[in-house]
Amino acid sequence: EPEVTQTPSHQVTQMGQEVILRCVPISNHLYFYWYRQILGQKVEFLVSFYNNEISEKSEIFDDQFSVERPDGSNFTLKIRSTKLEDSAMYFCASRRDRSNQPQHFGDGTRLSIL
Amino acid sequence: RKEVEQDPGPFNVPEGATVAFNCTYSNSASQSFFWYRQDCRKEPKLLMSVYSSGNEDGRFTAQLNRASQYISLLIRDSKLSDSATYLCVVPPSENTDKLIFGTGTRLQVFP
Repeated sequence: EPEVTQTPSHQVTQMGQEVILRCVPISNHLYFYWYRQILGQKVEFLVSFYNNEISEKSEIFDDQFSVERPDGSNFTLKIRSTKLEDSAMYFCASRRDRSNQPQHFGDGTRLSIL
Repeated sequence: RKEVEQDPGPFNVPEGATVAFNCTYSNSASQSFFWYRQDCRKEPKLLMSVYSSGNEDGRFTAQLNRASQYISLLIRDSKLSDSATYLCVVPPSENTDKLIFGTGTRLQVFP
C-alpha cells in the first residue's frame, strides 16, 4: 500500500536555527497538509497546499513557517528561526481529492529544539 | 463548546469486552466524520469513515447522530492489539480541508 514518507524521523536543532522537514506524499495525491502534535496534546492543523499554493493556514502557521513543493515529489515545511515551543511531532498528510477522501498521514518527524 | 470533544479515558477493559467511545462536535456544517487510531508516538491512522446511516467494519461500528452532533465508535470482542488512542476527527465544513482532531480516548485492553 502506498505511503506518505517523512524525513528525518528525528531532528534536534538549536533554538534560532532554521529547520526543513521533508515529506514525500503518495504519488497520485494532489492535496498536501502539515499538522503538528505537541507531546501530550491533540493533533493541530498547520497548513494545506494545493496547486502549488497555500489554500488554508492556521494561526500557528505564522511568518516563521513556510511550505514548498520544490519538485514533483517532495513537500517541505520550513521553520525559519525555531523556538522552544516548536518542539513537537510534525505530520505530513496527503489525499487524492476532496470528495470525502480521507487524509493519509506520514509517520512524522520528531522535532526537538534545544 | 470545543470543536471536537471526547472523553479522554483511559478505558481499561478485558479482552473480549465491548467498549464504546463517544464524540461530540460543535459545527453543524460538518459533513464528513472519521475515526483515526493513534498508537503511542506514532502517526494517526484511519480506522473508518463515518456515514450517515452508520457503518460497520468487522468488529468496529460507527454511528452518527446529526441532530445531536454526536458520533460513536463501538468495538466488539476487544483484542490486546486494540490498545491505542482513538481520535474523533471532523472537518468543520465542506469548504475547508483542515481536520479538527479531538484529544482522543485512550483504550487499554488487558489479558
